[in-house]
Amino acid sequence: NAGVTQTPKFQVLKTGQSMTLQCAQDMNHEYMSWYRQDPGMGLRLIHYSVGAGITDQGEVPNGYNVSRSTTEDFPLRLLSAAPSQTSVYFCASSQDRENQPQHFGDGTRLSIL
Amino acid sequence: GDSVTQMEGPVTLSEEAFLTINCTYTATGYPSLFWYVQYPGEGLQLLLKATKADDKGSNKGFEATYRKETTSFHLEKGSVQVSDSAVYFCALSGGSQGNLIFGKGTKLSVKP
Repeated sequence: NAGVTQTPKFQVLKTGQSMTLQCAQDMNHEYMSWYRQDPGMGLRLIHYSVGAGITDQGEVPNGYNVSRSTTEDFPLRLLSAAPSQTSVYFCASSQDRENQPQHFGDGTRLSIL
Repeated sequence: GDSVTQMEGPVTLSEEAFLTINCTYTATGYPSLFWYVQYPGEGLQLLLKATKADDKGSNKGFEATYRKETTSFHLEKGSVQVSDSAVYFCALSGGSQGNLIFGKGTKLSVKP
């Protein structure tokens, strides 16, 4: 079982560059979300989606963009990378908005120089 | 808004010691409560959960009881192993956006 797959696992960017973090799940889950993990701050919600074609902002959406064209995929785009976006990014999915728990990918470790 | 507070780490124990990691929460309504574990270099994995007051979640020797009167969900294990070394996150399903609300995490190191 693949579960939630994130790529790449590591990435180094220069300030101002753009990139897309990929997330795919094979569990036919409707609800998907992106979190960032920073030292001493736990995980914070960036964007989420309750189904294909529907996305919305979370707690810390600035500088990020998402789309959900299929049930399986939920990519996260950094429009113009900034050092403050250096973090570990986790994608998660669950059966629906109310039905926890969420299943997490292994994360993408992103450094912005 | 809803929030989770868990004890600060790091926590260092010897193998076979008793573990308690404290977690308290504030929430409107009746959230489900979770403990997630993150091993080095990996994502978060669900360790256990409880969906209503007085429920006890258990898995791999870990236990936590949903205490509504004290708004707590403390994680316990009677005898820790080196392989339990990880970061532990308490969380509740209270987010208006369907998200989990996490504590800041507690790093556990178990020495042989």
